[in-house]
Parts: sequence; structure tokens; C-alpha cells
Amino acid sequence: QKEVEQDPGPLSVPEGAIVSLNCTYSNSAFQYFMWYRQYSRKGPELLMYTYSSGNKEDGRFTAQVDKSSKYISLFIRDSQPSDSATYLCAMSARTNAGKSTFGDGTTLTVKP
Amino acid sequence: NAGVTQTPKFRVLKTGQSMTLLCAQDMNHEYMYWYRQDPGMGLRLIHYSVGEGTTAKGEVPDGYNVSRLKKQNFLLGLESAAPSQTSVYFCASSPRWTSKSNIQYFGAGTRLSVL
Repeated sequence: QKEVEQDPGPLSVPEGAIVSLNCTYSNSAFQYFMWYRQYSRKGPELLMYTYSSGNKEDGRFTAQVDKSSKYISLFIRDSQPSDSATYLCAMSARTNAGKSTFGDGTTLTVKP
Repeated sequence: NAGVTQTPKFRVLKTGQSMTLLCAQDMNHEYMYWYRQDPGMGLRLIHYSVGEGTTAKGEVPDGYNVSRLKKQNFLLGLESAAPSQTSVYFCASSPRWTSKSNIQYFGAGTRLSVL
């Protein structure tokens, strides 16, 4: 079983919809939680970074971490066609040479 | 600010040929990583380095070698390419002595086909 499981998708929504992307994990040592966005034929880029449990908001994006359930989510409000991309969750432990374990990604398409 | 630069961007090899992928970063990062990305399989760590002159195996190291002779460069070598190594390869780097050493900065990728 993988350490990080991500909802596989693909996901297709109309413009303006609220999107929920989710990952579960099994390693209780994970303390840092990231969401990366990857446009087609590009490298991943950091979208959200959170430490431990709680919520973090940045514009239309909210990252949520529930360590007790080993569950993280990324919410996108008022989704736009420019949000169409693959979203990767990533997690790492405190002392692990910066290494992260990535989910397989969820591909999102926002239709105008 | 170039960030992480990968060369080449595309390459086609025949089975058994060798090649080297170059990654260069200008952010003075200590940590560097090589991943491969295959459809439906996310990013898998091949090798990584925690500093100049150091390398370590990741999740899928077989068939690859790496070197970190200079802090800013991380080379990935394929000694005898196989069709199973057809993939998109990403290099990434991250800083060591900050509160955000877990954030990785990625290059644009190298698309490799082995025929």
C-alpha cells in the first residue's frame, strides 16, 4: 500500500464551481504538507504549504490538514479555466533531507 | 532568475545507448533530486543529494547513476538505456537551512524516449 493515496480523477467541473481535491496518508511522521500545481508539459510548482494540522487560505485556495484522520484537502473556490492542471499532494517528515512523498496527482479541467 | 534548468528538453535514444541529463540551479540550494514521472504513477524519486559530493538512492535507482561534483549541478546518467526508462525526468532543488526546506523547486523536465 502506498504511503500517500490521492483521489485519482480526472475531474471536470464548470467554471465557478467549488473543487475539492483530497489525499490520505499512512505515515504519522509527516508534518509538512504541500500542494503542487503542474500545467501540461511543465514542471510542478508549489501552490500551498502547511505545517501540521489546520487550515491555510490564499486567495481562492484553501489547504486543510487533519492529522488525526491523516487526511488533507485542497479547496478551490470560483474555479477558473486557468486552474485546469494536475494537482499533486506531497508530504514530508521533519528530518528527511527535504524529501517528499508525492501523490499520483489529480487532473482537473475547468470548462468555460 | 533562472531557478532550475534542465538540459536537454527532449531526447530519443536507442536501446543500449548512454546519455547524461544535466540539472543546474542558481538558488544556492543544498538539496537536489531526480524524479521520473510516468502516466498514473506520480513522481518517483530516483536519486538525491544533500550536498556537494554526496548522493543517495531513492525509490527507483536501478539503471541510473548520479554525480554532484559542484553544488549547483546534479547529473543523471543512463549507462545502457532500456525502453522501460522512457519517461519524463524532473530535477528539483530545495534549501537546507530554512523553515521551508521541504519545498522543492522543479525544472521544466526532460522527455526521454528509448526505442
